[in-house]
Amino acid sequence: DIQMTQSPSSLSASVGDRVTITCQASQDISNYLNWYQQRPGKAPKLLIYDASNLETGVPSRFSGGGSGTDFTFTISSLQPDDIATYYCQQYDNVPFTFGPGTKVDIK
Amino acid sequence: QVQLQESGPGLVKPSETLSLTCTVSGGSISDYYWHWLRQTPDKGLEWIGYIYYTGSADYNPSLKSRVTISVDTSKNQFSLKLTSVTAADTAVYYCARDERDIVATIGAFDIWGQGTMVTVSS
Repeated sequence: DIQMTQSPSSLSASVGDRVTITCQASQDISNYLNWYQQRPGKAPKLLIYDASNLETGVPSRFSGGGSGTDFTFTISSLQPDDIATYYCQQYDNVPFTFGPGTKVDIK
Repeated sequence: QVQLQESGPGLVKPSETLSLTCTVSGGSISDYYWHWLRQTPDKGLEWIGYIYYTGSADYNPSLKSRVTISVDTSKNQFSLKLTSVTAADTAVYYCARDERDIVATIGAFDIWGQGTMVTVSS
């Protein structure tokens, strides 16, 4: 299985701050990476697919980048609505696997 | 718009079979891939398997010996059966749609059910 790691595991930032999360795959997955947002008590929501493509309707303050084994997810200006846990997920190989998540909080 | 709803028992006894159904509303089950996933505080999000409306399926190797996913196009539903459950199978179970329709590119879950908590306990 492809192992996904994320850092940090949690972060606290102020409204308006730029927030960046990193995700690393245990092997080359090209750009076969998605990012999800999960608010407490809710199902995950797909934000970014193919490492850098914004899902329809997702605010442009969210962005993603990277390829191969190293990826980033950025919120350009943190909003109160962004309090959630964010997960990366690879789909290069079955079984599809997720990172452990990064919990984002408002300072 | 397409919505998914999981249904099934919230409590299953150890060694028995967990059975869940996902009902697709607002759209056809045809032409998409459909997935089951689960989430626990310890293991996080885990992909269980997928099925295509034709009945073609694939599973997580870690669960393959115990999992069956089936589809009923007449009812616009797909189902999960997990046999010989233990406490480790206690989780929130989600059904989800794949936004891709080509098997070589699937793996992006764009529509999710609300999730259903299943506890394995005697």
